[in-house]
Amino acid sequence: DAKTTQPNSMESNEEEPVHLPCNHSTISGTDYIHWYRQLPSQGPEYVIHGLTSNVNNRMASLAIAEDRKSSTLILHRATLRDAAVYYCILRDVDNYGQNFVFGPGTRLSVLP
Amino acid sequence: GAGVSQSPRYKVAKRGQDVALRCDPISGHVSLFWYQQALGQGPEFLTYFQNEAQLDKSGLPSDRFFAERPEGSVSTLKIQRTQQEDSAVYLCASSLTRQGAGNTIYFGEGSWLTVV
Repeated sequence: DAKTTQPNSMESNEEEPVHLPCNHSTISGTDYIHWYRQLPSQGPEYVIHGLTSNVNNRMASLAIAEDRKSSTLILHRATLRDAAVYYCILRDVDNYGQNFVFGPGTRLSVLP
Repeated sequence: GAGVSQSPRYKVAKRGQDVALRCDPISGHVSLFWYQQALGQGPEFLTYFQNEAQLDKSGLPSDRFFAERPEGSVSTLKIQRTQQEDSAVYLCASSLTRQGAGNTIYFGEGSWLTVV
């Protein structure tokens, strides 16, 4: 799987939008972009994923650059419960090994 | 339950002791993964099962680590002769199908192992 780079940490105020960036300049055409987050003392949980088009779900939105070399996870209104480590992961459709490669992620702090 | 269940939630082992960590994946899920997460780090892949077959064990750090899934459902991760560097959270995850980059992977809450 291609590598991703994310800022180590970010801060946001409660009820404001948060834009979490991810760079993946070596992405291949068959790589899906996945976002997971990990709340304190819990296992990672799925947030959203996409291939080429922007995606929306009840948790967040995923904006994918036209050249796919970067993406942004958007939390529309941050809450205190959104404080977590956010992981951006690339997963190749041809990766039969199935392993999911996590980087260090971005630690998001939400201030009241 | 509806999610991935792991036990024990917390385990303190004396150095040299053997430990066994259990994972109950979501019912019907074909794929099962084990990850190791050290404090302050992201999860690192250990091994992958497709039903009962262990198709990838490239992440197991040494031959003291052994995983099995004999009937294609419950899995056990065994660590023999534990050492202090084995202290970590061990995460189990499952997904419905055997492949597909768009598949969602569901994680358990982890088993926290401390070796003293």
